[in-house]
Amino acid sequence: GNSVTQMEGPVTLSEEAFLTINCTYTATGYPSLFWYVQYPGEGLQLLLKATKADDKGSNKGFEATYRKETTSFHLEKGSVQVSDSAVYFCALSGTGANNLFFGTGTRLTVIP
Amino acid sequence: SAVISQKPSRDICQRGTSLTIQCQVDSQVTMMFWYRQQPGQSLTLIATANQGSEATYESGFVIDKFPISRPNLTFSTLTVSNMSPEDSSIYLCSVEPYSTDTQYFGPGTRLTVL
Repeated sequence: GNSVTQMEGPVTLSEEAFLTINCTYTATGYPSLFWYVQYPGEGLQLLLKATKADDKGSNKGFEATYRKETTSFHLEKGSVQVSDSAVYFCALSGTGANNLFFGTGTRLTVIP
Repeated sequence: SAVISQKPSRDICQRGTSLTIQCQVDSQVTMMFWYRQQPGQSLTLIATANQGSEATYESGFVIDKFPISRPNLTFSTLTVSNMSPEDSSIYLCSVEPYSTDTQYFGPGTRLTVL
C-alpha cells in the first residue's frame, strides 16, 4: 500500500540555518510527491511537487528531489527565515489515484 | 491553481447537534475531497465527492455521520452529524483541477464540540 514516513519534530533552528526534513515513502507504481506547508492558523498550501524520478521541485528557496532508488523526497532550504515557521507535510498521490497520503507533519520553528 | 473558500471558518457547537460546512471553488472541478485534521495530527481523507455521483467514503467514515452534497462543479457541503467532542477537528476541502494531478486546499473549518 501507500504510506509516507516523515521526520519527527519539532525542529527548532536559528535564522539562516540549513534545513532538512526527511521524507520516505512506500508506494506501488509511480507516485507523485508533494510538500505542503501549514502556517499558524491557516490551511494547507502547496509548497512544491515532483511527478517522476529525479525531478526536483522548488519554491520559495525550498527544494526536494524525487529519489526513486532511496524512495525519498527530503525537503531542504539553505537559509531559513523566521517566516518559515510552520508545519510541513510530505504527501504522495498514487498512480492513477486521487487520494493523497500524508505524513504526520513536522513543526519547524525558526528563532531570530 | 484554484481559489477555495470555506464557511464557516470556525464554530463551537454543542454535543448532539449537526454542522454543515460549505466549500466553494472559483472554477469548475470534477474532483473534490473532504479531509479531517484532528488536533496535532495529520490529515485523513473522509470522502471523495464527484459531481453527479454519490460520495465515496474511506474506511472508518460513513454517510450517516458525514453526509456530503455536490450539487454542481464549484460547490460541496459536508455535514458533521450528531456531534461529539471527538469530532473536534479542522475540516478541509480540496480540489484537483483537471489535468493538474495536484490538490489545492481550502483554509479549513475549525470545529470545537463541547
